[in-house]
Amino acid sequence: DAEITQSPRHKITETGRQVTLACHQTWNHNNMFWYRQDLGHGLRLIHYSYGVQDTNKGEVSDGYSVSRSNTEDLPLTLESAASSQTSVYFCASSAGSLGTEAFFGQGTRLTVV
Amino acid sequence: AQTVTQSQPEMSVQEAETVTLSCTYDTSESDYYLFWYKQPPSRQMILVIRQEAYKQQNATENRFSVNFQKAAKSFSLKISDSQLGDAAMYFCAYNAGNMLTFGGGTRLMVKP
Repeated sequence: DAEITQSPRHKITETGRQVTLACHQTWNHNNMFWYRQDLGHGLRLIHYSYGVQDTNKGEVSDGYSVSRSNTEDLPLTLESAASSQTSVYFCASSAGSLGTEAFFGQGTRLTVV
Repeated sequence: AQTVTQSQPEMSVQEAETVTLSCTYDTSESDYYLFWYKQPPSRQMILVIRQEAYKQQNATENRFSVNFQKAAKSFSLKISDSQLGDAAMYFCAYNAGNMLTFGGGTRLMVKP
């Protein structure tokens, strides 16, 4: 079965360190997204990609970057982790047509100390 | 920019009763979709129901139904015969194009 997986599931890192969260999907979807979930804010869009070599900034992109070198993967990098980036991060993918379902990974809980 | 608002941070319902979760949104688009996602404690995001803006008929999926009021930009979720397994965070989401915009979520508690 097709799926979307994130790794790691949990991570603790120190302020100032570079951190990369992995996202891999086997749906062969063109669209991939990174969201962060914080209490009271729902899910907010960090970055997204509509295909290989395409990346775009979302609502809360400062301090984050992504790259899309193939269809399956969209890693999210925190350049210099800050305590404000402590959150649960979700990766999602979709086929791209209006109204199609987005499929989500299990989330990564990141704690910056 | 599109915004989605869920005004009820928490709701509770007695098992077997009916509960309605509210959602309003702001958009200038004419063609869009609206979704309700469920997030149980496992953190998995599960699609509950979707509604196309051009369809006047309210979507229904078993015990879940929506009340879609396009002019009022309102999209509420009704859960009938609530079950303990319905306890979760519920997110309303808007889609016009390729991405989803989410509301802040409503935590639903189900009392036995």
